[in-house]
Amino acid sequence: RKEVEQDPGPFNVPEGATVAFNCTYSNSASQSFFWYRQDCRKEPKLLMSVYSSGNEDGRFTAQLNRASQYISLLIRDSKLSDSATYLCVVNALSGSARQLTFGSGTQLTVLP
Amino acid sequence: EAGVVQSPRYKIIEKKQPVAFWCNPISGHNTLYWYRQNLGQGPELLIRYENEEAVDDSQLPKDRFSAERLKGVDSTLKIQPAELGDSAVYLCASSPVGGVATEAFFGQGTRLTVV
Repeated sequence: RKEVEQDPGPFNVPEGATVAFNCTYSNSASQSFFWYRQDCRKEPKLLMSVYSSGNEDGRFTAQLNRASQYISLLIRDSKLSDSATYLCVVNALSGSARQLTFGSGTQLTVLP
Repeated sequence: EAGVVQSPRYKIIEKKQPVAFWCNPISGHNTLYWYRQNLGQGPELLIRYENEEAVDDSQLPKDRFSAERLKGVDSTLKIQPAELGDSAVYLCASSPVGGVATEAFFGQGTRLTVV
């Protein structure tokens, strides 16, 4: 089982739609969580951190459920510019090392 | 402020040849990562440095891969000899010193093609 699992998609949605991505992680010692965005042939960039209480940044809402080891990202009112791959990232301590582990990504295409 | 700088951007080599990638992290960032990303996959950690010390290299194929970070700033990743399966994008990232909640900043990557 992969440490971080995501639905690879692709998700093809019309402009203005609401879309949700899910992610599960296996390491119960995981301590911090992120969503990164990666455009085609570009490097990953932080979209938002994910906090236990849930957090919102404009049209984007992230949720964390530690009991179920589950993270979600909700995008409301999708824009064409939201088309990208969304990577779920988990940071856990393993021994003395801090490990930043990426999921395989979920591909989103917003259609006009 | 300059971001993470990697070179070269692209590299095409024949199998069995050596290749090296270079990374200059963001100034002041103590943590440096090398990741490998295959098409359709997320980045996979190869090695992580805290200053000049490699603190996590468990995923680095040590028979052909080596890395160094002299003086705790720039880093190089080397493959010798390269195999067809090494074709991928090699990403360098850096973070400031801190706890587990620290974001990693990525360079644009080196796209390696082994033919």
